[in-house]
Amino acid sequence: AQSVTQLDSQVPVFEEAPVELRCNYSSSVSVYLFWYVQYPNQGLQLLLKYLSGSTLVKGINGFEAEFNKSQTSFHLRKPSVHISDTAEYFCAVSERADDKIIFGKGTRLHILP
Amino acid sequence: DGGITQSPKYLFRKEGQNVTLSCEQNLNHDAMYWYRQDPGQGLRLIYYSQIVNDFQKGDIAEGYSVSREKKESFPLTVTSAQKNPTAFYLCASSTSFGARNSPLHFGNGTRLTVT
Repeated sequence: AQSVTQLDSQVPVFEEAPVELRCNYSSSVSVYLFWYVQYPNQGLQLLLKYLSGSTLVKGINGFEAEFNKSQTSFHLRKPSVHISDTAEYFCAVSERADDKIIFGKGTRLHILP
Repeated sequence: DGGITQSPKYLFRKEGQNVTLSCEQNLNHDAMYWYRQDPGQGLRLIYYSQIVNDFQKGDIAEGYSVSREKKESFPLTVTSAQKNPTAFYLCASSTSFGARNSPLHFGNGTRLTVT
């Protein structure tokens, strides 16, 4: 059965510093992978997705993620964060045969001034 | 503007009462979903509907019920059988069912408190 693990529940980072939010998944078959962002008291918005093709995926707001099949990872990165990036970030996975999306528990990104 | 509207934003109920959460979309999406969000738990799927007049249980359907009589509407009823109903509830939709048809479009949620 598929599952997704976000290794860090909270990540503090200084403004304008780079950040990486880690995501690992467990599945024995081909998957689709997603990152969503949730700003306080709002719903989720899609940041980026990997369906097939290039393993480096670029999303909105300067975020990107790299699919690593051998390490079953899909880490999210941004080279320079802004205070407006303060939010909770969710990694999600779906097995291609199943089509249901399973969400990780989320990582809170705290931007320090 | 197209989107998903959840109402109300905050809802308070006494234990033992059923309560219905509203979800309306004007995106012309076939698929709709209800998720429950608890702190540190991520999102868990309660029910989903692939098309009007059809719906399926998700991972945590016990104590909840839904209907899908109109394409635009997917209300969720939290019944008195739900043992721990206090949570943040999110409604979502997609063009059709399936991860490849993402993104999921989310509403801004309803925070339900039961005392």
